[in-house]
Amino acid sequence: AQKVTQAQTEISVVEKEDVTLDCVYETRDTTYYLFWYKQPPSGELVFLIRRNSFDEQNEISGRYSWNFQKSTSSFNFTITASQVVDSAVYFCALSVEYTGKLIFGQGTTLQVKP
Amino acid sequence: SAVISQKPSRDICQRGTSLTIQCQVDSQVTMMFWYRQQPGQSLTLIATANQGSEATYESGFVIDKFPISRPNLTFSTLTVSNMSPEDSSIYLCSGRTGGNYGYTFGSGTRLTVV
Repeated sequence: AQKVTQAQTEISVVEKEDVTLDCVYETRDTTYYLFWYKQPPSGELVFLIRRNSFDEQNEISGRYSWNFQKSTSSFNFTITASQVVDSAVYFCALSVEYTGKLIFGQGTTLQVKP
Repeated sequence: SAVISQKPSRDICQRGTSLTIQCQVDSQVTMMFWYRQQPGQSLTLIATANQGSEATYESGFVIDKFPISRPNLTFSTLTVSNMSPEDSSIYLCSGRTGGNYGYTFGSGTRLTVV
């Protein structure tokens, strides 16, 4: 069975601090995909990144970076120099090839204070 | 990427009634899913909408309560039947695109049952 765990329920930082959101996943499948989504107060889901199980390269996009480590089944997300606009709920999600179902973690609420 | 139009965006309904939510995708998607997001919670998968056949429901969700239709590759409906205040949630549909293995989401239906 698939499972995604985001142990951090809420994180509060002051603007310009770096923050890392943790994500640990479980699956027995060898082909799977990991995602991060942002849900701002307006409610829509904003896609941030997708990684497949065969690509362990870390990725950087502006202030965002992702660290994928299969050895620890983790896919952590770091925001550098956080801004108030980063305040949102962030979801990590997992899908496996044969079912196609996207399963979400519990979400981490990030509050960035000015 | 595909765009999903979901409606209604919000509704207030009386207990005991039913509401049908519609999702229209602007291009064919390989799979469609329905999620429920209860207040302050993560997204929980209700079911996979199968084209031309009965949906596949997740544990805890039943067809009598959440009947789903998917008559073609671009359209699906979810009905929330015999509603109670506990059904007050955001309901989202999602489509999986085959080529780049991405998921697109509707903007959600915010349902309040009084």
